[in-house]
Amino acid sequence: EAGVTQFPSHSVIEKGQTVTLRCDPISGHDNLYWYRRVMGKEIKFLLHFVKESKQDESGMPNNRFLAERTGGTYSTLKVQPAELEDSGVYFCASSQDLGVAVNEQFFGPGTRLTVL
Amino acid sequence: SQELEQSPQSLIVQEGKNLTINCTSSKTLYGLYWYKQKYGEGLIFLMMLQKGGEEKSHEKITAKLDEKKQQSSLHITASQPSHAGIYLCGATAGGFGNEKLTFGTGTRLTIIP
Repeated sequence: EAGVTQFPSHSVIEKGQTVTLRCDPISGHDNLYWYRRVMGKEIKFLLHFVKESKQDESGMPNNRFLAERTGGTYSTLKVQPAELEDSGVYFCASSQDLGVAVNEQFFGPGTRLTVL
Repeated sequence: SQELEQSPQSLIVQEGKNLTINCTSSKTLYGLYWYKQKYGEGLIFLMMLQKGGEEKSHEKITAKLDEKKQQSSLHITASQPSHAGIYLCGATAGGFGNEKLTFGTGTRLTIIP
């Protein structure tokens, strides 16, 4: 079974440009999460999808970040325009809905974003 | 918001030695996760604890959650080079609809042959 995949693995862009990150969750996982770690800090939650709906987007830093999950399968996270402080590693995770309150979240390898 | 503190931040251990990593929460934990990360890879799930006093083991790694559900420890017995990496504790604040994870800053483990 394929795990969570993310594309690209690395992205280097200039300030002001746009970048789109993609996450493919494990097939059949309704829950999809985005997290990010900026340098020297802990991993922080960005948002949570249940199928195509945003369940919780309380961690999104500002309106330069737009996440979508059309059709409830893969998700994209677009940063427009990118700023220097957006640099970091963006992780995606997915989990099944097993009808229990705590479900294991499977993480992807992350996308390392560098904004120059 | 819930905060998790991990200690130590880094650990250098000789191969074969035992070690312990701690994770302390400012609030009562609902679910406590331990993950391991190697450079360029995603977070690898190790264990999840939910009940006060719970203890789980997998191979040479044992995780415990205290009775008050505010502190967890991860113990590695007879460490091996394959144990090297960054260990992260993560916690959920509640159940259904509140499953986002809060993470500690991580513990970097180095194993010396």
